[in-house]
Amino acid sequence: GQQLNQSPQSMFIQEGEDVSMNCTSSSIFNTWLWYKQDPGEGPVLLIALYKAGELTSNGRLTAQFGITRKDSFLNISASIPSDVGIYFCAGPLNTGRRALTFGSGTRLQVQP
Amino acid sequence: DVKVTQSSRYLVKRTGEKVFLECVQDMDHENMFWYRQDPGLGLRLIYFSYDVKMKEKGDIPEGYSVSREKKERFSLILESASTNQTSMYLCASRTQGVLAKNIQYFGAGTRLSVL
Repeated sequence: GQQLNQSPQSMFIQEGEDVSMNCTSSSIFNTWLWYKQDPGEGPVLLIALYKAGELTSNGRLTAQFGITRKDSFLNISASIPSDVGIYFCAGPLNTGRRALTFGSGTRLQVQP
Repeated sequence: DVKVTQSSRYLVKRTGEKVFLECVQDMDHENMFWYRQDPGLGLRLIYFSYDVKMKEKGDIPEGYSVSREKKERFSLILESASTNQTSMYLCASRTQGVLAKNIQYFGAGTRLSVL
């Protein structure tokens, strides 16, 4: 079953604002992935994190792998209308299974 | 670029029908996955396959089956569609081994409505 708690569930912000979202788990992860899903499309990978404490940027996006390995954060700076979509965190449980476990998603809406 | 193609973007079926959702990937990936996406629940794994003719149940396999006769194609089958299977279905693929870095590539999704 799902073991990732993602928050907030939704955000409605003004263009130009910064955004923060996070994911927590009761289990340890050795990888954190952040995906974005545009309306009507499949998820696309934004950032991948592989080491505790790692901070990685992709343009205006920055993600961090928490020191405890049980959480991760995604920040978006200076939001623009095309940032609209659903953001998912994901990671592989250490069960040997190849599939990912996903958070419930953060739905972001940006007011121009 | 990795390409994962789902045969239909939208499907409308009737209760009791047998439904086939098709997914094809062009990167020779060993692993393929079927998820369903419902509001507030994220993506939940239905089935996955790690090789031709090999499959494993995910978290919510009830009411579904799968088929993988060729490496590039992974089919999801709803034996007798029910209204609670109305959802967005996402197919994904991933290569094997450490080079995969756990990254999955997704298709655009099939939005299924069961009436």
